Amino acid sequence: AQSVTQLGSHVSVSEGALVLLRCNYSSSVPPYLFWYVQYPNQGLQLLLKYTSAATLVKGINGFEAEFKKSETSFHLTKPSAHMSDAAEYFCAVTRMDSSYKLIFGSGTRLLVRP
Amino acid sequence: DGGITQSPKYLFRKEGQNVTLSCEQNLNHDAMYWYRQDPGQGLRLIYYSQIVNDFQKGDIAEGYSVSREKKESFPLTVTSAQKNPTAFYLCASNEYYSNQPQHFGDGTRLSIL
Repeated sequence: AQSVTQLGSHVSVSEGALVLLRCNYSSSVPPYLFWYVQYPNQGLQLLLKYTSAATLVKGINGFEAEFKKSETSFHLTKPSAHMSDAAEYFCAVTRMDSSYKLIFGSGTRLLVRP
Repeated sequence: DGGITQSPKYLFRKEGQNVTLSCEQNLNHDAMYWYRQDPGQGLRLIYYSQIVNDFQKGDIAEGYSVSREKKESFPLTVTSAQKNPTAFYLCASNEYYSNQPQHFGDGTRLSIL
């Protein structure tokens, strides 16, 4: 079955350090990919999306992600973490049944230490 | 501003009771979705609707029901058959059969009394 794997349910970084959140997907064809952020007791907000136009995708709040077909990965990065980045992050891919429904990873909670 | 409104923000259910969660959007989107979020499990699809008067079961539809009488509205009923309803429920929408991202409401947290 198609799946999305986010390595690490919790990631902790110091303020100013590099943020790296990992996402791997299983799909025989390149899907559409998304990263969302969720703050406590709120809905999901889109950070960025990959829809085959460019492999390096820039999003909001200084985040970017690189699509690597050979590694079936779409890792999220930010050069310098800010306290306001503390939240839960979800990777999602479109299903292979052409319905454009999404499959979500289990999420990674980012903690930023002062 | 366009968006998705979910209400109420918090809801409590008694044993044997059905409760209905509201979802309204003014984005003119055709497709709407209901997800359930449990800690450590990401989002799971309950029901979705791609056009008015039509909807399909998602991955965990048992114990839930929906209706889509208007384009703007997609209410979710959590029935007494859902034995473990405590969760955070999220409604989303996007354009029909589109790779455009889904827009989300701020969720309803349902708890059992």
